[in-house]
Amino acid sequence: GENVEQHPSTLSVQEGDSAVIKCTYSDSASNYFPWYKQELGKGPQLIIDIRSNVGEKKDQRIAVTLNKTAKHFSLHITETQPEDSAVYFCAGHPVAGGTSYGKLTFGQGTILTVHP
Amino acid sequence: KAGVTQTPRYLIKTRGQQVTLSCSPISGHRSVSWYQQTPGQGLQFLFEYFSETQRNKGNFPGRFSGRQFSNSRSEMNVSTLELGDSALYLCASFRQGQETQYFGPGTRLLVL
Repeated sequence: GENVEQHPSTLSVQEGDSAVIKCTYSDSASNYFPWYKQELGKGPQLIIDIRSNVGEKKDQRIAVTLNKTAKHFSLHITETQPEDSAVYFCAGHPVAGGTSYGKLTFGQGTILTVHP
Repeated sequence: KAGVTQTPRYLIKTRGQQVTLSCSPISGHRSVSWYQQTPGQGLQFLFEYFSETQRNKGNFPGRFSGRQFSNSRSEMNVSTLELGDSALYLCASFRQGQETQYFGPGTRLLVL
Protein backbone atom coordinates (compact mmCIF):
# COMPACT_ATOMS: atom_id res chain seq x y z
CA GLY A 1 0.00 0.00 0.00
CA GLU A 2 0.82 3.68 0.00
CA ASN A 3 3.57 4.98 2.27
CA VAL A 4 4.10 8.70 2.92
CA GLU A 5 7.30 9.98 4.51
CA GLN A 6 7.40 13.52 5.92
CA HIS A 7 10.41 15.66 6.92
CA PRO A 8 11.42 17.33 9.10
CA SER A 9 9.62 16.15 12.23
CA THR A 10 10.20 19.52 13.91
CA LEU A 11 10.88 22.92 12.39
CA SER A 12 11.65 26.13 14.24
CA VAL A 13 11.74 29.48 12.43
CA GLN A 14 11.72 33.17 13.24
CA GLU A 15 8.66 35.24 12.44
CA GLY A 16 8.86 36.45 8.87
CA ASP A 17 11.05 33.58 7.67
CA SER A 18 9.91 30.89 5.25
CA ALA A 19 9.17 27.30 6.21
CA VAL A 20 9.35 24.27 3.94
CA ILE A 21 8.04 20.78 4.72
CA LYS A 22 8.70 17.89 2.36
CA CYS A 23 6.90 14.62 1.73
CA THR A 24 7.58 11.62 -0.47
CA TYR A 25 5.08 8.96 -1.47
CA SER A 26 5.45 5.44 -2.77
CA ASP A 27 2.34 4.71 -4.84
CA SER A 28 2.58 6.14 -8.33
CA ALA A 29 -1.22 5.79 -8.59
CA SER A 30 -1.72 8.50 -5.95
CA ASN A 31 -3.26 11.55 -7.52
CA TYR A 32 -4.41 13.82 -4.71
CA PHE A 33 -2.21 15.38 -2.03
CA PRO A 34 -3.74 17.50 0.74
CA TRP A 35 -2.00 19.34 3.54
CA TYR A 36 -3.60 19.71 6.94
CA LYS A 37 -2.85 21.95 9.90
CA GLN A 38 -3.70 20.68 13.36
CA GLU A 39 -3.78 22.95 16.37
CA LEU A 40 -3.83 21.70 19.93
CA GLY A 41 -7.16 20.15 20.85
CA LYS A 42 -8.57 20.42 17.33
CA GLY A 43 -9.04 18.20 14.36
CA PRO A 44 -6.91 18.59 11.22
CA GLN A 45 -7.89 21.54 9.04
CA LEU A 46 -7.29 21.45 5.29
CA ILE A 47 -5.05 24.34 4.25
CA ILE A 48 -4.20 23.50 0.65
CA ASP A 49 -4.28 20.55 -1.72
CA ILE A 50 -2.92 19.63 -5.13
CA ARG A 51 -3.82 17.11 -7.77
CA SER A 52 -1.40 15.18 -9.90
CA ASN A 53 -2.22 17.11 -13.06
CA VAL A 54 -0.89 20.32 -11.48
CA GLY A 55 2.74 21.09 -10.60
CA GLU A 56 2.20 24.01 -8.24
CA LYS A 57 -0.62 25.73 -6.40
CA LYS A 58 -0.56 28.89 -4.32
CA ASP A 59 -2.95 30.46 -1.84
CA GLN A 60 -1.70 33.72 -0.33
CA ARG A 61 1.31 32.81 1.87
CA ILE A 62 0.97 29.07 1.30
CA ALA A 63 2.12 27.12 -1.74
CA VAL A 64 2.47 23.46 -2.60
CA THR A 65 4.65 21.94 -5.31
CA LEU A 66 4.44 18.44 -6.73
CA ASN A 67 7.07 16.44 -8.60
CA LYS A 68 5.36 13.32 -9.91
CA THR A 69 8.53 11.87 -11.39
CA ALA A 70 10.37 12.01 -8.08
CA LYS A 71 7.17 11.28 -6.12
CA HIS A 72 7.56 14.16 -3.75
CA PHE A 73 5.59 17.23 -2.80
CA SER A 74 6.35 20.16 -0.55
CA LEU A 75 4.55 22.80 1.48
CA HIS A 76 5.98 26.31 1.46
CA ILE A 77 4.87 28.94 3.96
CA THR A 78 6.24 32.44 3.44
CA GLU A 79 6.29 35.35 5.89
CA THR A 80 5.55 33.04 8.80
CA GLN A 81 3.55 34.31 11.76
CA PRO A 82 3.27 32.97 15.32
CA GLU A 83 -0.25 31.77 14.54
CA ASP A 84 1.24 29.43 11.93
CA SER A 85 2.64 27.38 14.83
CA ALA A 86 0.93 23.98 14.70
CA VAL A 87 1.42 20.41 13.50
CA TYR A 88 1.29 20.03 9.73
CA PHE A 89 0.43 16.77 7.99
CA CYS A 90 0.79 15.81 4.37
CA ALA A 91 -1.27 13.00 2.91
CA GLY A 92 -1.53 10.93 -0.22
CA HIS A 93 -4.66 9.55 -1.76
CA PRO A 94 -4.13 6.29 -3.64
CA VAL A 95 -6.78 5.12 -6.05
CA ALA A 96 -7.00 1.44 -6.85
CA GLY A 97 -10.05 0.39 -8.78
CA GLY A 98 -12.17 2.90 -6.95
CA THR A 99 -12.01 1.10 -3.63
CA SER A 100 -9.53 3.39 -1.90
CA TYR A 101 -11.58 6.49 -2.40
CA GLY A 102 -11.90 7.61 1.20
CA LYS A 103 -8.50 6.51 2.45
CA LEU A 104 -5.89 9.16 3.10
CA THR A 105 -2.41 7.96 4.02
CA PHE A 106 -0.74 10.53 6.24
CA GLY A 107 2.84 11.51 6.85
CA GLN A 108 4.14 11.51 10.42
CA GLY A 109 3.62 15.23 10.92
CA THR A 110 5.85 18.28 11.37
CA ILE A 111 5.71 20.43 14.48
CA LEU A 112 6.24 23.99 13.26
CA THR A 113 7.16 26.65 15.81
CA VAL A 114 7.31 30.28 14.76
CA HIS A 115 9.16 32.47 17.24
CA PRO A 116 8.08 36.12 17.51
CA LYS B 1 -22.70 25.79 7.32
CA ALA B 2 -22.03 23.56 10.31
CA GLY B 3 -18.88 21.46 10.24
CA VAL B 4 -18.38 17.85 11.20
CA THR B 5 -19.49 17.18 14.75
CA GLN B 6 -18.34 14.35 16.97
CA THR B 7 -19.70 13.19 20.29
CA PRO B 8 -18.64 12.76 22.95
CA ARG B 9 -15.50 14.88 22.90
CA TYR B 10 -13.86 13.05 25.78
CA LEU B 11 -14.34 9.58 27.15
CA ILE B 12 -12.70 7.49 29.86
CA LYS B 13 -13.20 3.73 29.87
CA THR B 14 -11.57 0.74 31.51
CA ARG B 15 -10.03 -2.28 29.83
CA GLY B 16 -12.56 -4.80 28.59
CA GLN B 17 -15.37 -2.30 28.17
CA GLN B 18 -16.80 -1.24 24.86
CA VAL B 19 -17.37 2.24 23.48
CA THR B 20 -19.45 3.87 20.76
CA LEU B 21 -18.46 7.13 19.13
CA SER B 22 -20.71 9.25 16.93
CA CYS B 23 -20.06 11.45 13.92
CA SER B 24 -22.42 13.80 12.09
CA PRO B 25 -21.09 14.85 8.68
CA ILE B 26 -21.41 18.20 6.98
CA SER B 27 -24.85 18.64 5.47
CA GLY B 28 -24.88 17.16 1.98
CA HIS B 29 -21.87 14.92 2.56
CA ARG B 30 -22.73 11.25 2.29
CA SER B 31 -19.26 9.78 2.81
CA VAL B 32 -17.57 9.39 6.18
CA SER B 33 -14.09 8.17 7.02
CA TRP B 34 -12.72 7.36 10.47
CA TYR B 35 -9.12 7.69 11.60
CA GLN B 36 -7.20 6.87 14.76
CA GLN B 37 -4.51 9.32 15.87
CA THR B 38 -1.82 8.32 18.38
CA PRO B 39 1.60 9.80 19.14
CA GLY B 40 3.33 6.60 18.10
CA GLN B 41 1.44 5.61 14.96
CA GLY B 42 0.19 8.97 13.78
CA LEU B 43 -3.02 9.19 11.76
CA GLN B 44 -4.24 5.80 10.59
CA PHE B 45 -7.27 5.02 8.46
CA LEU B 46 -9.93 2.85 10.12
CA PHE B 47 -12.80 2.62 7.61
CA GLU B 48 -14.98 4.52 5.20
CA TYR B 49 -18.72 4.51 4.68
CA PHE B 50 -20.91 5.71 1.85
CA SER B 51 -24.64 5.28 1.63
CA GLU B 52 -24.71 2.96 4.67
CA THR B 53 -22.09 0.65 3.13
CA GLN B 54 -18.52 0.12 4.26
CA ARG B 55 -16.40 0.70 1.16
CA ASN B 56 -12.93 0.43 2.60
CA LYS B 57 -11.29 -0.82 5.78
CA GLY B 58 -7.89 -0.22 7.30
CA ASN B 59 -5.64 -2.68 9.03
CA PHE B 60 -7.31 -2.84 12.44
CA PRO B 61 -8.61 -5.85 14.38
CA GLY B 62 -12.24 -6.90 14.24
CA ARG B 63 -12.86 -5.22 17.61
CA PHE B 64 -13.17 -2.01 15.61
CA SER B 65 -16.42 -1.73 13.72
CA GLY B 66 -18.66 0.96 12.35
CA ARG B 67 -21.88 1.70 10.64
CA GLN B 68 -23.66 4.48 8.83
CA PHE B 69 -27.28 5.47 9.01
CA SER B 70 -29.64 6.65 6.29
CA ASN B 71 -29.08 10.29 7.34
CA SER B 72 -25.30 9.78 6.78
CA ARG B 73 -24.49 9.94 10.49
CA SER B 74 -21.93 7.35 11.43
CA GLU B 75 -20.90 5.49 14.54
CA MET B 76 -17.84 3.47 15.36
CA ASN B 77 -17.62 0.87 18.06
CA VAL B 78 -14.64 -0.59 19.83
CA SER B 79 -15.26 -3.72 21.87
CA THR B 80 -13.07 -5.27 24.55
CA LEU B 81 -11.02 -2.13 24.97
CA GLU B 82 -7.27 -2.37 25.40
CA LEU B 83 -4.88 0.22 26.83
CA GLY B 84 -3.47 0.71 23.35
CA ASP B 85 -6.84 1.91 22.09
CA SER B 86 -6.30 5.21 23.89
CA ALA B 87 -6.25 7.73 21.07
CA LEU B 88 -7.94 10.61 19.36
CA TYR B 89 -10.60 9.24 17.01
CA LEU B 90 -11.28 11.51 14.08
CA CYS B 91 -14.15 11.49 11.67
CA ALA B 92 -14.01 13.17 8.26
CA SER B 93 -16.80 13.76 5.79
CA PHE B 94 -16.72 14.42 2.07
CA ARG B 95 -18.93 14.55 -0.97
CA GLN B 96 -19.22 11.54 -3.17
CA GLY B 97 -16.97 12.06 -6.18
CA GLN B 98 -14.68 14.53 -4.41
CA GLU B 99 -11.45 13.80 -2.54
CA THR B 100 -11.41 16.68 -0.08
CA GLN B 101 -12.09 15.45 3.44
CA TYR B 102 -13.16 17.72 6.29
CA PHE B 103 -12.37 16.63 9.80
CA GLY B 104 -14.29 16.96 13.02
CA PRO B 105 -12.68 17.88 16.35
CA GLY B 106 -12.30 14.25 17.37
CA THR B 107 -13.19 12.15 20.38
CA ARG B 108 -10.37 11.64 22.84
CA LEU B 109 -10.61 8.16 24.36
CA LEU B 110 -8.61 7.19 27.40
CA VAL B 111 -8.56 3.53 28.40
CA LEU B 112 -7.46 2.80 31.97
